[in-house]
Amino acid sequence: AQKITQTQPGMFVQEKEAVTLDCTYDTSDPSYGLFWYKQPSSGEMIFLIYQGSYDQQNATEGRYSLNFQKARKSANLVISASQLGDSAMYFCAMREGRGGSNYKLTFGKGTLLTVNP
Amino acid sequence: NAGVMQNPRHLVRRRGQEARLRCSPMKGHSHVYWYRQLPEEGLKFMVYLQKENIIDESGMPKERFSAEFPKEGPSILRIQQVVRGDSAAYFCASSFGTGLSEQYFGPGTRLTVT
Repeated sequence: AQKITQTQPGMFVQEKEAVTLDCTYDTSDPSYGLFWYKQPSSGEMIFLIYQGSYDQQNATEGRYSLNFQKARKSANLVISASQLGDSAMYFCAMREGRGGSNYKLTFGKGTLLTVNP
Repeated sequence: NAGVMQNPRHLVRRRGQEARLRCSPMKGHSHVYWYRQLPEEGLKFMVYLQKENIIDESGMPKERFSAEFPKEGPSILRIQQVVRGDSAAYFCASSFGTGLSEQYFGPGTRLTVT
């Protein structure tokens, strides 16, 4: 089974509007972390936001927020007030476990976001 | 404070040649991770190294691929006798500690095998 599922291969949004990128995850471990990365066309991986499984509140970083619904195992990324520079590939990722191999990041296949002027 | 550095950024090799990819972690980081991104895919874990030790190479192909992180100098990912299927972006990340420590990614090396 896929550990990270991103069901939207591509999304379009108008500049200045908000957009939600979906991510669902699968783990039986009570301790895990969820990450979102942005990959622009230049190719580098840019860390956006992190949510721990025990965090009580949804994470926010500027225009990025993570809609964490633990019971549904979803960790959707919300980008408010989209900008043209937000056009990129977005990856959801997870790390599991308290010890052992909890350094491994598992990535979804990504969502290509296009912001239209 | 320089970030994670990878070189070369782009590498072209003919089938059968060797590819050497280098990664210099962030200053003070002694944990290095290599990930591979095939076209149209997310990144996949390959190997985790600490100085002079391979901790986990469960994501590395069994043949032709090797990695090292010597006491001095960068971490090296080496691919012998490259084939077209090795064409991918290879990312290195580093962290200060292990476990849930933040991993900082380098810009990646794009390998093209002709």
